[in-house]
Amino acid sequence: AQSVAQPEDQVNVAEGNPLTVKCTYSVSGNPYLFWYVQYPNRGLQFLLKYITGDNLVKGSYGFEAEFNKSQTSFHLKKPSALVSDSALYFCAVRPILKAAGNKLTFGGGTRVLVKP
Amino acid sequence: ETGVTQTPRHLVMGMTNKKSLKCEQHLGHNAMYWYKQSAKKPLELMFVYSLEERVENNSVPSRFSPECPNSSHLFLHLHTLQPEDSALYLCASSQDLASGGVYEQFFGPGTRLTVL
Repeated sequence: AQSVAQPEDQVNVAEGNPLTVKCTYSVSGNPYLFWYVQYPNRGLQFLLKYITGDNLVKGSYGFEAEFNKSQTSFHLKKPSALVSDSALYFCAVRPILKAAGNKLTFGGGTRVLVKP
Repeated sequence: ETGVTQTPRHLVMGMTNKKSLKCEQHLGHNAMYWYKQSAKKPLELMFVYSLEERVENNSVPSRFSPECPNSSHLFLHLHTLQPEDSALYLCASSQDLASGGVYEQFFGPGTRLTVL
């Protein structure tokens, strides 16, 4: 069975500083990996996904994530954080196996607080 | 209206009531999902429908009954719920699972359910 760990419940960063949200995963075989963001009173919004190819994936709102197979990690990064990036971030994984369908397993979420 | 909509946005019900949550997607997708989001717990997948056929039921209690009359609509019928069922219920949709592609899920804003 697959699993996702987001080791930090909350990340605090000053506006303009780099932001990193950590994610590690466990899955049989190769993974597909996703990041979603949730703003207050809203559903989850898709940020980016890793399927194959280049380990650095670029997504919405200036976010990017780096797939590291040896460390089974998929950390989310943004070079310069904005106050408006304050939200709840979720990492998700699904196996490549077609039999897995589109069933995503989500991490517990990391709350990001960007201070002016 | 675009995207994924959910009604009602808030619902308070007693343990003996019967109510239904509604989800509608305007994205032309063929797969729809129900998730439960509780405080301090990872997002839990409840049900998956692909081409109006239920393909996943994650050991959800029978007091939750899904219905997918067509590819645009998804319902979650609720009866004799327990206080621990209070949570945010999120609906999502994606492109067809059977094609084998890797498609992100699009989420609605959720229904905040309180069971008294």
